[in-house]
Amino acid sequence: EAQVTQNPRYLITVTGKKLTVTCSQNMNHEYMSWYRQDPGLGLRQIYYSMNVEVTDKGDVPEGYKVSRKEKRNFPLILESPSPNQTSLYFCASSSIGTIQETQYFGPGTRLLVL
Amino acid sequence: DAKTTQPNSMESNEEEPVHLPCNHSTISGTDYIHWYRQLPSQGPEYVIHGLTSNVNNRMASLAIAEDRKSSTLILHRATLRDAAVYYCISHPGAGSYQLTFGKGTKLSVIP
Repeated sequence: EAQVTQNPRYLITVTGKKLTVTCSQNMNHEYMSWYRQDPGLGLRQIYYSMNVEVTDKGDVPEGYKVSRKEKRNFPLILESPSPNQTSLYFCASSSIGTIQETQYFGPGTRLLVL
Repeated sequence: DAKTTQPNSMESNEEEPVHLPCNHSTISGTDYIHWYRQLPSQGPEYVIHGLTSNVNNRMASLAIAEDRKSSTLILHRATLRDAAVYYCISHPGAGSYQLTFGKGTKLSVIP
């Protein structure tokens, strides 16, 4: 089954404790991205990657890092989480090559930073 | 990306058709219109997209106005499972993959 998986699904942590949220897709997609969703602000893109070793900032990259060492994985790293990073995070992927490829989203990771 | 405007919420009775409107008056000639929906506690999922012609798929139909300044997502028979937030997104063509989500329309389906 084609899917995007995220782990963990729920996470409670404390300020300053480094964490990683993993994202994996099994569709051989080149493009992957991370969004955060906050009440009243909708979904906003954090980072994206067009292929292995190619990443770029989205609209709200501050406080986040990403890496793309393998095509299927695109982890989101919070080196020193702060309470304002409490949010619902979604990973997405799509193929590149033809215009308007459908994007597939993961189930989400709900993060609470105390 | 062109700005889209949607009603905040709509209601529909189960098994009746639903017409979800979207205005995109500043859309450029090459921007596609995408619809995604987000079911409760899930990630967004693709519904349909189009450029100029009306489009149909197993989930819905998309009717695009002749001047392309508005479009309507049509669910032919609403089910309880269709209760979700529906996002209308104006999206440029090749080379851009970022989706700019607005607030969407929250659809409630009444049994």
